[in-house]
Amino acid sequence: IQMTQSPSSLSASVGDRVTITCRASQNIGNFLNWYQQRPGKAPNLLIYAASSLQNGVPSRFSGSGSGTDFTLTISSLQPEDFGTYYCRQSYSTLLTFGGGTKVEIK
Amino acid sequence: QVQLVESGGGLVKPGGSLRLSCSASGFNFSDYYMSWIRQAPGKGLEWVSYISSRTNIIYYADSVKGRFTISRDNAKNSLYLQMNSLTAEDTAVYYCARVVYYFDKYDAFDIWGQGTMVTVSS
Repeated sequence: IQMTQSPSSLSASVGDRVTITCRASQNIGNFLNWYQQRPGKAPNLLIYAASSLQNGVPSRFSGSGSGTDFTLTISSLQPEDFGTYYCRQSYSTLLTFGGGTKVEIK
Repeated sequence: QVQLVESGGGLVKPGGSLRLSCSASGFNFSDYYMSWIRQAPGKGLEWVSYISSRTNIIYYADSVKGRFTISRDNAKNSLYLQMNSLTAEDTAVYYCARVVYYFDKYDAFDIWGQGTMVTVSS
């Protein structure tokens, strides 16, 4: 299953609403996670089951979607939200990540 | 605290072998599926393999199948990745990660190690 993210990069200001999309090549139900990776660090789980917020993750992060189209939204971008965001499907036993979306703060 | 620490990375020649280890602490290791994920320099994340808590379920990415072997020793709270027939395309940071299940159905990598670098070069 191929996962396609868009955009590949974006630049936004603090306080902006940011939306990242992830499209699956086939129906994956809600078997989708979102991760944030800051430079030089391991990824961090943000969202599981497409829309459930991981414990400890700020509520400005939210996930939505089902089937083939998914969205990660940051309601009000904060300086610490820079990094690369990845979606990952687990509908198939052969897990696949999206190519990533790099978020820069203007 | 809950922690994963990888080791065993380094420089290896093409065609060579390397064994990575991941030491777990702060949780009951034997209760969890575990996984390896890698990231080539400047590239995105690529899932490599995962193993069930009792080792009866193992899957590999097509890119490593037949060359890599995942294993675990629950008595030692350790996860391993034996890598053979290495090529330059295997150069990456290798992360181990804990697999957690939500609603008995949806899985995610909730704890990651800091990664260990593997460089395949002559």
